[in-house]
Amino acid sequence: DGGITQSPKYLFRKEGQNVTLSCEQNLNHDAMYWYRQDPGQGLRLIYYSQIVNDFQKGDIAEGYSVSREKKESFPLTVTSAQKNPTAFYLCASRRGLAGGRITGELFFGEGSRLTVL
Amino acid sequence: AQTVTQSQPEMSVQEAETVTLSCTYDTSESDYYLFWYKQPPSRQMILVIRQEAYKQQNATENRFSVNFQKAAKSFSLKISDSQLGDAAMYFCAYRSGFNSNSGYALNFGKGTSLLVTP
Repeated sequence: DGGITQSPKYLFRKEGQNVTLSCEQNLNHDAMYWYRQDPGQGLRLIYYSQIVNDFQKGDIAEGYSVSREKKESFPLTVTSAQKNPTAFYLCASRRGLAGGRITGELFFGEGSRLTVL
Repeated sequence: AQTVTQSQPEMSVQEAETVTLSCTYDTSESDYYLFWYKQPPSRQMILVIRQEAYKQQNATENRFSVNFQKAAKSFSLKISDSQLGDAAMYFCAYRSGFNSNSGYALNFGKGTSLLVTP
């Protein structure tokens, strides 16, 4: 079955360490996204990528980095510069153009919970 | 940037009853999409329903329906015959139709936690 796989599901990190969250999709979707979820805050956009080898900052990109070397993969690195990294992270993907319109909704992975000790 | 407001942090409904979750949004665009997503305790985001702004007819998916009032910029979700499995966080989301500056990402509200009581 097609879908989005995020790993690890739970991750613990010491302060000052970088950590990379994996996101892989086999839906053949062009666009991929990373969101951060905090209690009472909804989902906030960190980074997005519409095609391979291209990505753009979202609303809260500071302290994060991404790469998009393959269509299927969009890993997120939480760097030591991120001041409050403890959160739930969601990866999503979307189909490309269909008849000139972007009609597709986002499909989400199951998320990764990062805790900084 | 478009803002999405969900004014009800928590709602409660009895099994088999009907509940309506509110959502308003702010935009100057005429072409856009609106979504309701459900996030159960597993935290998997599940699409409940989608509405295209150019369609006047309200979307319906089984027990879920929306009341889309474009002029009022309101997009409420009605859940009929509520079931215990409907208990979840519900998020309203907005997305531009054309020429998005954010890669057609969804812009989410802060969510409404729905409790279903037997």
